[in-house]
Amino acid sequence: SAVISQKPSRDICQRGTSLTIQCQVDSQVTMMFWYRQQPGQSLTLIATANQGSEATYESGFVIDKFPISRPNLTFSTLTVSNMSPEDSSIYLCSVEAAGVFFTDTQYFGPGTRLTVL
Amino acid sequence: SQQGEEDPQALSIQEGENATMNCSYKTSINNLQWYRQNSGRGLVHLILIRSNEREKHSGRLRVTLDTSKKSSSLLITASRAADTASYFCATGRASGSRLTFGEGTQLTVNP
Repeated sequence: SAVISQKPSRDICQRGTSLTIQCQVDSQVTMMFWYRQQPGQSLTLIATANQGSEATYESGFVIDKFPISRPNLTFSTLTVSNMSPEDSSIYLCSVEAAGVFFTDTQYFGPGTRLTVL
Repeated sequence: SQQGEEDPQALSIQEGENATMNCSYKTSINNLQWYRQNSGRGLVHLILIRSNEREKHSGRLRVTLDTSKKSSSLLITASRAADTASYFCATGRASGSRLTFGEGTQLTVNP
């Protein structure tokens, strides 16, 4: 399994500001994913981040609002830009276990709980 | 839109009873995974079942998969108060692909 940490664990931000969330994995992984979980709801994929290429965004999510970096095989950041109260959510990164063959199992970080006032 | 639908949305049982949660999906899949989430925290991976498998066990957990009906079930036997959490199913359409999550079942186990 992969051990994943996220920073910050929670934050309260003002409208119009930006927050960068960090995701660190204890092993090299090819694929990293960023999800959003709005209050009382399920998880929705924001984007897939592979090292060495641009992130691939899902419908309804754009790079200007959620820029992502993936500088190496163990780290990624997600920025929530120009925040509004509607961005209040839990943001989670996940990875698929590394290896020659895909294991398919995806592990999740502890999440970042964001509140926008 | 979410591919998966889970029922029930909420389930309340007594400690020691069994809990069964169901998940349905719409498209063909490569694998289906079950997760637990405690109080809005991170997701804990419980079990993965592949499309060519029909049943898997892990401790008190039993997962079945019926690809003809596009459905899966998670059974927790001899439930404990610590099992109180939200349970999500998630489907992967291909090896290494993103997951699509169901709406989740909130399980409450009363001591």
